[in-house]
Amino acid sequence: QKEVEQNSGPLSVPEGAIASLNCTYSDRGSQSFFWYRQYSGKSPELIMSIYSNGDKEDGRFTAQLNKASQYVSLLIRDSQPSDSATYLCAPSASGGSYIPTFGRGTSLIVHP
Amino acid sequence: DGGITQSPKYLFRKEGQNVTLSCEQNLNHDAMYWYRQDPGQGLRLIYYSQIVNDFQKGDIAEGYSVSREKKESFPLTVTSAQKNPTAFYLCATQAAGTDYYEQYFGPGTRLTVT
Repeated sequence: QKEVEQNSGPLSVPEGAIASLNCTYSDRGSQSFFWYRQYSGKSPELIMSIYSNGDKEDGRFTAQLNKASQYVSLLIRDSQPSDSATYLCAPSASGGSYIPTFGRGTSLIVHP
Repeated sequence: DGGITQSPKYLFRKEGQNVTLSCEQNLNHDAMYWYRQDPGQGLRLIYYSQIVNDFQKGDIAEGYSVSREKKESFPLTVTSAQKNPTAFYLCATQAAGTDYYEQYFGPGTRLTVT
């Protein structure tokens, strides 16, 4: 059974701070890693993807991947109240299963 | 305007009735998926399809049925056999049946059965 672990939160940070969201996964065969943002009552939206070890930056978002440790994280700099949402971690499938495994998500609250 | 459409956005049904949720995509993606999400819970896979005229059960297929007669369409029927059908239903697509591509989600259908 492939597992993806995320702290459910809520993670509460003040506006302007850095929010750090973490994810560990069990499938060593996963090659691609995705972060989705889901606002309350809405569908998940892809915000970041990372394929190689190291950091990938996109605006205020930085994804970090360490395949040896089976760990992926998402940093949000200068957090805004509009970043308040649930963030889902999703390592890709492996071995031809074609089905990614989604974490249950971390709820982030950015307070003014 | 490319994307995934799900209709209706909200659906209300009486217990014992079958109901069909629509999912249409014009992204030309091969793979399509149905997920169920309950309040405060993660995504649970109901059915998925890699190609037309073929589909596979996910983790919670009991009480649901699907068809994939066209590449663009993957409707989900919630039957009366589904014991607790009230939930948020999400349709997703993936570019190809590989392990590397991300999924894209439709806006969802919120089903309430009373």
